[in-house]
Amino acid sequence: GNSVTQMEGPVTLSEEAFLTINCTYTATGYPSLFWYVQYPGEGLQLLLKATKADDKGSNKGFEATYRKETTSFHLEKGSVQVSDSAVYFCALSDHQGNQGGKLIFGQGTELSVKP
Amino acid sequence: DAGVTQSPTHLIKTRGQQVTLRCSPKSGHDTVSWYQQALGQGPQFIFQYYEEEERQRGNFPDRFSGHQFPNYSSELNVNALLLGDSALYLCASSSSGAKNIQYFGAGTRLSVL
Repeated sequence: GNSVTQMEGPVTLSEEAFLTINCTYTATGYPSLFWYVQYPGEGLQLLLKATKADDKGSNKGFEATYRKETTSFHLEKGSVQVSDSAVYFCALSDHQGNQGGKLIFGQGTELSVKP
Repeated sequence: DAGVTQSPTHLIKTRGQQVTLRCSPKSGHDTVSWYQQALGQGPQFIFQYYEEEERQRGNFPDRFSGHQFPNYSSELNVNALLLGDSALYLCASSSSGAKNIQYFGAGTRLSVL
């Protein structure tokens, strides 16, 4: 079945460091891919998305490119801030056509950014 | 414009009891999905409702049931609670016309003692 695998955390970085969080997926067909972020005590917020191969999603300095050949959707940011500290989830949608399907999540990667 | 709202925020129950969680979708959304997030894990899909019908279901026992109302709001019911049902329950809403973008509420934290 479809699945998502993320690099294990926690990831600890200094402010202004470069961030990469790896995400690979297994899926039949052409799923949409997402990154969600969860701040302490809160629900999930959509960070960015990509709906087809070679699409690049971007938001708030974060980027991820849908790589079908390597089945990957790695999250990157050039310069992290303390406020980026959160848990990041990679997800794919198991959808049919334009009907919203279930989201399948990775296990999450905790990011801690130190001043 | 209110986003997805869930109630209650926190809930404490004992084993064997029943619980009902509520969700109001974002304005303009007609599809509601429920997820269970155990501590330190990613959310797991429970089921999805559209047009008051369960459209998809994840690998959860029949103790988990739901309902969607004509105004698109939804309830998640869990019967015969087990300790392992302790988790954050997340509701997500989406529009059937928008491709797979689900917006999440803040969740209901359920503790089963």
